[in-house]
Amino acid sequence: AQRVTQPEKLLSVFKGAPVELKCNYSYSGSPELFWYVQYSRQRLQLLLRHISRESIKGFTADLNKGETSFHLKKPFAQEEDSAMYYCALSNDYKLSFGAGTTVTVRA
Amino acid sequence: DVKVTQSSRYLVKRTGEKVFLECVQDMDHENMFWYRQDPGLGLRLIYFSYDVKMKEKGDIPEGYSVSREKKERFSLILESASTNQTSMYLCASSTNGGTGELFFGEGSRLTVL
Repeated sequence: AQRVTQPEKLLSVFKGAPVELKCNYSYSGSPELFWYVQYSRQRLQLLLRHISRESIKGFTADLNKGETSFHLKKPFAQEEDSAMYYCALSNDYKLSFGAGTTVTVRA
Repeated sequence: DVKVTQSSRYLVKRTGEKVFLECVQDMDHENMFWYRQDPGLGLRLIYFSYDVKMKEKGDIPEGYSVSREKKERFSLILESASTNQTSMYLCASSTNGGTGELFFGEGSRLTVL
């Protein structure tokens, strides 16, 4: 069965510090992984996909099949990065989500 | 601007009431989904539909049903609401020919008393 684990419920960092959100997955096939973000009073939206290998808002995520991980990183956190972040795994066209990590960036 | 619209943002219902949550998308997407979002549990898939009149159970379908009579509309039905169904409900849609991205509505917060 597929599963997505985000071990940190809460993450608090200072502005300008690096931030890393952990995501581990279990999946028998070739995984497609996503990070979604929900800012305060906004709808959940896609942040990035592993297939595109792009950097969005300074965030990057690398798929590590050996460690079954897809951690999200940003070298210098900004206050506007404060949000709820979800890691998600695609199975056909359905997404399975992790429990989410709430990130607070303090000035 | 593409949109998924959930008609009710906030609802308060009593135990045993029948509840309808409506979702409409204007992107001509084939796939539509209902998730519930709970703190510490993330998003859990209730039901999904990949075509009109088609539906598939997700991970937590018990106590829920759905209806998709038109491509753009996907309804979630709680036949007899219970307090443990108090939650935020998120509707989403996606297209088969796309990147796999789900487009979400703003959510419907349901409180069952």
